[in-house]
Amino acid sequence: DAKTTQPTSMDCAEGRAANLPCNHSTISGNEYVYWYRQIHSQGPQYIIHGLKNNETNEMASLIITEDRKSSTLILPHATLRDTAVYYCIVRVANFGNEKLTFGTGTRLTIIP
Amino acid sequence: DAGVTQSPTHLIKTRGQQVTLRCSPKSGHDTVSWYQQALGQGPQFIFQYYEEEERQRGNFPDRFSGHQFPNYSSELNVNALLLGDSALYLCASSDTGNLAYEQYFGPGTRLTVT
Repeated sequence: DAKTTQPTSMDCAEGRAANLPCNHSTISGNEYVYWYRQIHSQGPQYIIHGLKNNETNEMASLIITEDRKSSTLILPHATLRDTAVYYCIVRVANFGNEKLTFGTGTRLTIIP
Repeated sequence: DAGVTQSPTHLIKTRGQQVTLRCSPKSGHDTVSWYQQALGQGPQFIFQYYEEEERQRGNFPDRFSGHQFPNYSSELNVNALLLGDSALYLCASSDTGNLAYEQYFGPGTRLTVT
């Protein structure tokens, strides 16, 4: 699975959009981009995933560049409950390769 | 609909002992994965079970073993505990029928080895 690079930490004001970048320059054509977050002392929580099109769900939006070498997770109206470590992961979605390879993630702090 | 559940929540063991952790997957999920998360690190994949067999394994010694039951629940066993095995152990479940599936994680079991 391709490696990802994320900033170590970011701050965002409450109520503003939080934009979390991820670089995955070695991504191959059959690798999906997944985002998870982990609130302190809890299990990781799935947020969103995509292959090449932009995706949106009730939690966030995922913007993937046309060359797929980077992506951005957008939390449209950040709240204090969004303070967490956010992990960007790429994975080939095929039978027998389900493991998620977590990096160190981005520690996002929402400031009141 | 219950999500992924794990037991116990916390556990304290002594070096050399053996421990068993348990996981019940989310309803409708048939695959269970186990991860180890040391303090300040991201989760590390241990192994995955599907149809009661280990399907994929990470870089962990044979002291780490597991089992999956016909109802899809799973156990993680660690023998000859070392101080370095102290960590949060996470279980994740998924539905293999959906290839680009997301994994749902449980709250974890905090293991302390003294």
